[in-house]
Amino acid sequence: QKEVEQNSGPLSVPEGAIASLNCTYSDRVSQSFFWYRQYSGKSPELIMSIYSNGDKEDGRFTAQLNKASQYVSLLIRDSQPSDSATYLCAVTIGSARQLTFGSGTQLTVLP
Amino acid sequence: DGGITQSPKYLFRKEGQNVTLSCEQNLNHDAMYWYRQDPGQGLRLIYYSQIVNDFQKGDIAEGYSVSREKKESFPLTVTSAQKNPTAFYLCAIRDSLNTEAFFGQGTRLTVV
Repeated sequence: QKEVEQNSGPLSVPEGAIASLNCTYSDRVSQSFFWYRQYSGKSPELIMSIYSNGDKEDGRFTAQLNKASQYVSLLIRDSQPSDSATYLCAVTIGSARQLTFGSGTQLTVLP
Repeated sequence: DGGITQSPKYLFRKEGQNVTLSCEQNLNHDAMYWYRQDPGQGLRLIYYSQIVNDFQKGDIAEGYSVSREKKESFPLTVTSAQKNPTAFYLCAIRDSLNTEAFFGQGTRLTVV
């Protein structure tokens, strides 16, 4: 079992729709959770961080965390073509709290 | 200009050659990391350092070496023992163990 798993996609949504990205993790004591966006050929950039159960909203982005189910998700409302990218879920794992990444979900927003 | 700087952006290696990738930061962060990314894949940890003169192996350290002689610098050497080095290499920094990582622009290494 991978430590951090994401649906590899690709995921396509029409412009203006809600995109839903999911991530599960194996370490029950993980404390920090992050979503990164990576455009093709570029380095990842942080878009959301979440540390406690529930929802956290920032503009069109909402991160959801459920530690009991070991599940974190990212919702993108009113999706735009500029949101087309690969989204990486990252979780701190182990006593050294290494930042471990999922394999990413490729999102395409269709005009 | 503050942040994290990787160089070069593109690097070509001949068979049997060692090459060194540079990573410099001026944010005074303690922790520095090297990740490797292959096409269509996530990031895999090569090495990390949480303090000067100390570093630890990550999941795929074989064929790589690092040093941390100064807080602001964490160079990665890809040795000839790394048989498949073609990849996108990313350096990252973190302020503490619970915070996010910030990435440099990356170095794309190709074997020729």
